[in-house]
Amino acid sequence: QQQVKQSPQSLIVQKGGISIINCAYENTAFDYFPWYQQFPGKGPALLIAIRPDVSEKKEGRFTISFNKSAKQFSLHIMDSQPGDSATYFCAASFNSGTYKYIFGTGTRLKVLA
Amino acid sequence: NAGVTQTPKFRVLKTGQSMTLLCAQDMNHEYMYWYRQDPGMGLRLIHYSVGEGTTAKGEVPDGYNVSRLKKQNFLLGLESAAPSQTSVYFCASSSLSTSGGAETQYFGPGTRLLVL
Repeated sequence: QQQVKQSPQSLIVQKGGISIINCAYENTAFDYFPWYQQFPGKGPALLIAIRPDVSEKKEGRFTISFNKSAKQFSLHIMDSQPGDSATYFCAASFNSGTYKYIFGTGTRLKVLA
Repeated sequence: NAGVTQTPKFRVLKTGQSMTLLCAQDMNHEYMYWYRQDPGMGLRLIHYSVGEGTTAKGEVPDGYNVSRLKKQNFLLGLESAAPSQTSVYFCASSSLSTSGGAETQYFGPGTRLLVL
């Protein structure tokens, strides 16, 4: 019940294309859903995050779509660029207690020039 | 602000040796976390702390101990290293949002540990 399932494991997209990464969760007590971006040799860094009171959040070329009833959320990268090549992790956190994150297993994105 | 720093950056240990990884944050965050990252496994929580002097077990705590004697520091110890502990270790810290919910976790650059 505490798992966050992420897919696909890897993704190859042409420059200018749309990259889509999906995550699903079971525990309805989760109420904070961040996406992290990690470049090789670096620590993860927050990309964008959403709370379940909204269905979509957009920041530049990055959009989170959130479907509370389906318990799914996804990251869309519009106009994907080679500089977006990185590993992306979704996560979910509880809104009480320890505020621990449960991370997905990651998606390695490669954007071809 | 340096954010979250970790030392050392890389270490090689022999089976049975001990070591301590140091995490420091200068953002006055209450919460601190230690994760390990392994290929295909994502980030798994080892131990965490919700304040100075307090620690708790995460998802994969066996073989590790932690201490948080000062608010800005969080130490991860391996008493007797095993090859299964070969991994990349990340420390993170966060504050509590004004609404009382979870907040962004800021990660350090990681420590690569190889246990032979």
